[in-house]
Amino acid sequence: GAVVSQHPSWVICKSGTSVKIECRSLDFQATTMFWYRQFPKQSLMLMATSNEGSKATYEQGVEKDKFLINHASLTLSTLTVTSAHPEDSSFYICSATYRLGGEQFFGPGTRLTVL
Amino acid sequence: QQQVKQSPQSLIVQKGGISIINCAYENTAFDYFPWYQQFPGKGPALLIAIRPDVSEKKEGRFTISFNKSAKQFSLHIMDSQPGDSATYFCAASKGGFQKLVFGTGTRLLVSP
Repeated sequence: GAVVSQHPSWVICKSGTSVKIECRSLDFQATTMFWYRQFPKQSLMLMATSNEGSKATYEQGVEKDKFLINHASLTLSTLTVTSAHPEDSSFYICSATYRLGGEQFFGPGTRLTVL
Repeated sequence: QQQVKQSPQSLIVQKGGISIINCAYENTAFDYFPWYQQFPGKGPALLIAIRPDVSEKKEGRFTISFNKSAKQFSLHIMDSQPGDSATYFCAASKGGFQKLVFGTGTRLLVSP
């Protein structure tokens, strides 16, 4: 149980385009979803926290207009990287939890490459 | 104060040996200390976690040692196996898993 999926698993796009990444909790309802960013051989950095039906809370230094997060249902959250640039190339990982303060279950990640 | 420092950056251990990874934190408000295992191209998976009211927790070959006064905790992998080769992250949070602060990661290679 407690499976989180992400789609796509990898994406290549041209500079200036927007990319949407989906995060789904497959067998539970996620009260909260988290989005992380991981550069090669580096740690995970929390970008934002989202609760179903409400606006996401972004970490300091994360541009909310660039990284749009929509948590439309209890099983789906999306991250849209708008006007992507090569420096946005990274591994994006989501996680989900079914209770406040509960264990976070991580998705497999999405590799974004911006040319 | 929000950082979690992790060492070593990389580690090579022979099969059957003990792998030891250390982490240190500054924020005394942290009350949950999980360890995650991550394979290349995959998301991290929870390995074992400890709360500060316990000095040691063991699950199979994995043991967390916690030193509250020193604000340090470590992961010991006994009888290390090649399948344990992965990147290990320590993390810390306050209020359960609310906001995890991750360490910088340790790349473990267990040689056959």
